Amino acid sequence: EPEVTQTPSHQVTQMGQEVILRCVPISNHLYFYWYRQILGQKVEFLVSFYNNEISEKSEIFDDQFSVERPDGSNFTLKIRSTKLEDSAMYFCASSGGPADTQYFGPGTRLTVL
Amino acid sequence: KQEVTQIPAALSVPEGENLVLNCSFTDSAIYNLQWFRQDPGKGLTSLLLIQSSQREQTSGRLNASLDKSSGRSTLYIAASQPGDSATYLCAAYSGGGADGLTFGKGTHLIIQP
Repeated sequence: EPEVTQTPSHQVTQMGQEVILRCVPISNHLYFYWYRQILGQKVEFLVSFYNNEISEKSEIFDDQFSVERPDGSNFTLKIRSTKLEDSAMYFCASSGGPADTQYFGPGTRLTVL
Repeated sequence: KQEVTQIPAALSVPEGENLVLNCSFTDSAIYNLQWFRQDPGKGLTSLLLIQSSQREQTSGRLNASLDKSSGRSTLYIAASQPGDSATYLCAAYSGGGADGLTFGKGTHLIIQP
């Protein structure tokens, strides 16, 4: 069964460093998403991406965040200058249509020291 | 702004019992509602998606209902098993420029053998 994959599973970085989180969505899906979950808190929407551009972003997704689909399979989230409060589990998801089931990857645990 | 609440926050029942998890949302103008399962330190597994035009969806021992007018959804688990132990999340999709899912905090379910 097709699934969303994410790498790395765990990333440790120093405050102020740039990180890139990678995702491979399900191959025939057209809509891609990033969410985050701070430990003990709700899963929060960050950004959606369709047709090679951002479709919608939340207030969390400020100028330090960016997304890219560098090729036909990968979808990346870049955090330019990490802060302590960026420590969280980051989930990638994809769907065939905007109101279809969203399938989530296993997540990348980001730890900012 | 959509808010999603799940009650109870935690639930522990003996194996074999039928149980109901509750989800409420503040804005009834949703396109669909999705139920997920999250195991500790893992990603989200989609269980059921109910479109706004539907009242129920079933998958195996799981049955989800949706009452848009009252802003409520329930997840019914029949004949619970220890393997059902996990955190169950509901998420509302409102569309219309809000592409992301709005999640509740989840119900942490423990099934006692």
